[in-house]
Amino acid sequence: EAGVAQSPRYKIIEKRQSVAFWCNPISGHATLYWYQQILGQGPKLLIQFQNNGVVDDSQLPKDRFSAERLKGVDSTLKIQPAKLEDSAVYLCASSFESGPVYGYTFGSGTRLTVV
Amino acid sequence: QKEVEQDPGPLSVPEGAIVSLNCTYSNSAFQYFMWYRQYSRKGPELLMYTYSSGNKEDGRFTAQVDKSSKYISLFIRDSQPSDSATYLCAMSKGGGNKLTFGTGTQLKVEL
Repeated sequence: EAGVAQSPRYKIIEKRQSVAFWCNPISGHATLYWYQQILGQGPKLLIQFQNNGVVDDSQLPKDRFSAERLKGVDSTLKIQPAKLEDSAVYLCASSFESGPVYGYTFGSGTRLTVV
Repeated sequence: QKEVEQDPGPLSVPEGAIVSLNCTYSNSAFQYFMWYRQYSRKGPELLMYTYSSGNKEDGRFTAQVDKSSKYISLFIRDSQPSDSATYLCAMSKGGGNKLTFGTGTQLKVEL
């Protein structure tokens, strides 16, 4: 079984620029999550999709972050404009059923540095 | 106060030692408790999960939950250098609810 694919692996941008991350979940996984992991902290959920629909985006800074999941498969997360505090690893995860007890599979993440 | 507290370490132990990793939490609504392992520059991977209080064993790993004390533990027996990683506790209020993670404890097992 192929894992969760994310790209790019690394990205360096200047503040106020925009950036986009891409995620391809495991085939057949209906639920997709984006997490933000700041250095020295645990991952924080940004948004959860169930197929095409958003289940939870309560911690997504909607003034600058947006996410979509096309046709219930791939997903993109965008930041516009970026701030210094957005420097973090952005992790995508997927699961067959909704809910963490079913075992997320995480991708390796995109490491974003905002300078 | 954070909902989930975890000592960040680093924790350094000799090969073969028993390792104890712990988390405390403040929200009594948490029902599901997980431990994830994260190698450097990789995503977290699920090690174990338990529901409510009690113990669960899987090979060299044992997870314990004490809901009365709001305290969870992960024990690693006969630790190996390959166990060197960051260990994250995580918990959820229900099966379909989001995970709340601790900050992670960095473990190094030395030869």
